[in-house]
Amino acid sequence: GAVVSQHPSWVICKSGTSVKIECRSLDFQATTMFWYRQFPKQSLMLMATSNEGSKATYEQGVEKDKFLINHASLTLSTLTVTSAHPEDSSFYICSARALLTGEYGYTFGSGTRLTVV
Amino acid sequence: AQSVTQLDSQVPVFEEAPVELRCNYSSSVSVYLFWYVQYPNQGLQLLLKYLSGSTLVKGINGFEAEFNKSQTSFHLRKPSVHISDTAEYFCAVSGPDGTGFQKLVFGTGTRLLVSP
Repeated sequence: GAVVSQHPSWVICKSGTSVKIECRSLDFQATTMFWYRQFPKQSLMLMATSNEGSKATYEQGVEKDKFLINHASLTLSTLTVTSAHPEDSSFYICSARALLTGEYGYTFGSGTRLTVV
Repeated sequence: AQSVTQLDSQVPVFEEAPVELRCNYSSSVSVYLFWYVQYPNQGLQLLLKYLSGSTLVKGINGFEAEFNKSQTSFHLRKPSVHISDTAEYFCAVSGPDGTGFQKLVFGTGTRLLVSP
């Protein structure tokens, strides 16, 4: 089945530095990728949606200059948290939707636990 | 806009007992419905989905759900739970939303706690 690889699974960084999270679709081409943020014991909050080769579309309230999303190819999307602060600490999850091949669905990465100290 | 309501934040149940996790959705157009399970510090795993056809959908790990259009519900059931079913369960909806992205909108989640 469809697999999405997300790296790193966890990262600790110092306040003020930037962190990049990668999301790769391993065995299918992802036309659309979604980035979510999840606070402890809460649901997933959609941050942005990206199509390959296009600028990402951010949800209301999400700072696009802080959370940079690049979807350079049909198999890779990256989320960069710039100038990270402790309040950016969270669990980030990516999801990919495949090109229409008769299968409709969303495949999720395993998530990245970001801790900013 | 689409939305999902999961009425129960936590459902405690004894092992081998049946369980139902409730999900109601709101949408003005046709929708696709999903149930996902999340174990601690992991991503989401698809349990089952309803796209069209039979309203009773069978998924993995013995779970099933029934799409009820008149009640706008998509409740998840399992006839006999195991300790290993303890996890967070999310109901989600997607469909035409005017953006072309068909974003997946999640409910707030239900924590299933299975005890011996």
